[in-house]
Amino acid sequence: EPEVTQTPSHQVTQMGQEVILRCVPISNHLYFYWYRQILGQKVEFLVSFYNNEISEKSEIFDDQFSVERPDGSNFTLKIRSTKLEDSAMYFCASRFGPSYNEQFFGPGTRLTVL
Amino acid sequence: ELKVEQNPLFLSMQEGKNYTIYCNYSTTSDRLYWYRQDPGKSLESLFVLLSNGAVKQEGRLMASLDTKARLSTLHITAAVHDLSATYFCAVDAGSNFGNEKLTFGTGTRLTIIP
Repeated sequence: EPEVTQTPSHQVTQMGQEVILRCVPISNHLYFYWYRQILGQKVEFLVSFYNNEISEKSEIFDDQFSVERPDGSNFTLKIRSTKLEDSAMYFCASRFGPSYNEQFFGPGTRLTVL
Repeated sequence: ELKVEQNPLFLSMQEGKNYTIYCNYSTTSDRLYWYRQDPGKSLESLFVLLSNGAVKQEGRLMASLDTKARLSTLHITAAVHDLSATYFCAVDAGSNFGNEKLTFGTGTRLTIIP
């Protein structure tokens, strides 16, 4: 069964460093998303992406964040200069679209900023 | 701003009992999703509810949606231990057509006691 994959599963970085989180959405899906979940809290929307551009972003997704689909399969989230409060689990999701159906989530990348 | 609230936040119940988790949301929407999350794991899609009065069942779980009351319920029948997990509802309200942005509830941590 097709699934969303993410790498790495765990990333540890120093404050101020850049990180890139990678996702491979399900191959025929057209809509891509990043969410984050701070430990013990609810899941929060970061950004949605369609047709090679950002469709919507949250207040969390400030200038330190960027997304890219560098080729036909990968979808990346870059945090330019990490802060302690960026420590969270980051989930990538994809959806076939355009009619309403569920988003399929990847296993997540746990980001720890020291 | 859309608010999605679940109650209870924590639920400890005995095997064999029935219980209901409630999800209230603050803005008109007819698109609601239920997800399950095991500790340290990703989000598994359980139900997609896309219209008022929608009811879906899978095994011991049944979900319903009342868009007029802005309420969804997840009913657990004759609970068994492997249903122990955190359950999230998520609502899409008013984002661009075909480009859903999910707003998650606070989650209900369910523990089934033998």
